[in-house]
Parts: sequence; C-alpha cells; structure tokens
Amino acid sequence: EAQVTQNPRYLITVTGKKLTVTCSQNMNHEYMSWYRQDPGLGLRQIYYSMNVEVTDKGDVPEGYKVSRKEKRNFPLILESPSPNQTSLYFCASRHWDRMNTEAFFGQGTRLTVV
Amino acid sequence: AQSVTQLDSHVSVSEGTPVLLRCNYSSSYSPSLFWYVQHPNKGLQLLLKYTSAATLVKGINGFEAEFKKSETSFHLTKPSAHMSDAAEYFCVVSDSGAAGNKLTFGGGTRVLVKP
Repeated sequence: EAQVTQNPRYLITVTGKKLTVTCSQNMNHEYMSWYRQDPGLGLRQIYYSMNVEVTDKGDVPEGYKVSRKEKRNFPLILESPSPNQTSLYFCASRHWDRMNTEAFFGQGTRLTVV
Repeated sequence: AQSVTQLDSHVSVSEGTPVLLRCNYSSSYSPSLFWYVQHPNKGLQLLLKYTSAATLVKGINGFEAEFKKSETSFHLTKPSAHMSDAAEYFCVVSDSGAAGNKLTFGGGTRVLVKP
C-alpha cells in the first residue's frame, strides 16, 4: 500500500530538548516536504527536498532542520524547541517533475512544547 | 507568486442539502488545483484535482469542482451533504513557476453537517 508514515503521532516535550520527527514514504517519490498546520492558516511549508541531498527552505523554516540522506526518509529536526512550535505537523511526498500530481500526506504529528 | 483564498472559514449545512465551498486563487502560470479533505485526527486525503483538461472535475464521494479561469475560482460542490462530510477542506494550488512545484494551501473551510 502506498503510504507516508510519520512517527510519533503525538509528542509532548519541554523547551530546549532536541527532538526528531521521522517521515518515510514507499512510493519512490523524489519530492518530500514538511508542513505545519495552525488554525486559520492552513498548511505552511517548512522545508522541502527535491531529491537526495537536495533540501531548501519553505515559508517558515526558522527553528527547524531537515536532512535527506536516503530517498525514502525525510526527518524533521527541532534542535531547541520552543512553545511557538506547538503545532500539527505533516510530511508529504510527490513526484517533483510532474506539476499536476497530487501529494500524499502522513497522518500527522501533534507536537506540544511546554 | 501563487496564493489561495478560501472565502468561508466555516460552513454549516443540513444533511441532504447542497454544499458549496468557495476558493479563489492567484497564479502567474497555468495552475494545477486540488481539493483535500481532513477528517478529525486524520491526514489529508485528495478529493479531486484540476490539471488543464476538463474544467468540470469530478472527485470522490460525490464532490465536484469547476475551474473558471476568468473568475480565478475553483469552487467545490456536492448536491447532497452527508453526515460523513463533516470535516475540514483545503483548496491547494501548484504552478510551474513555484520553486519545486510548491503547493500553496488556503486557510481551510470547516464543514458542519446538521441532522
């Protein structure tokens, strides 16, 4: 089954404690991206990657890092989380060279930073 | 630059009545347009997409949307709402000019279906 898998689904952490949210896809997609969802703002892109070792900033990259060492995995790293990073996070993948293909989304990770 | 405006943050309908969710977009190039649905505590599921073929697009669960270039709109409709349609809906645009074929989301419309 084609899917994007994120872990964990729920996470509560304290300010400043480094964390990683993992994302894996099994569709051999070149393009992967991370979004955060906040009420009334829709989904905003944090970072994206067009292929292995190619990453770039999205609209709200501050406080986040990513890496793309393998095609299937695209972890999101928060080196020093702060309360304003409390949000619902989604990983997505799609073929990058076909504009009209849809993105496939993970189930989401609800992060609370206290 | 591309952008999406969903004109209603909340829509309330009675079961069995029509649903209309409004979306306007801005794009410098020929866009692709999508509607996604998000049920509570779930990820996003594709309802339908427009990719420069037919302007009237049919999707899953009885939804359809019409692309109107002159009005820069892509409104989503369903003739008869069902209780299971209660969810949040996102209109999304992607154009060839955006870096990495980026998807830009509207703010979302939350649909409430009354029995």
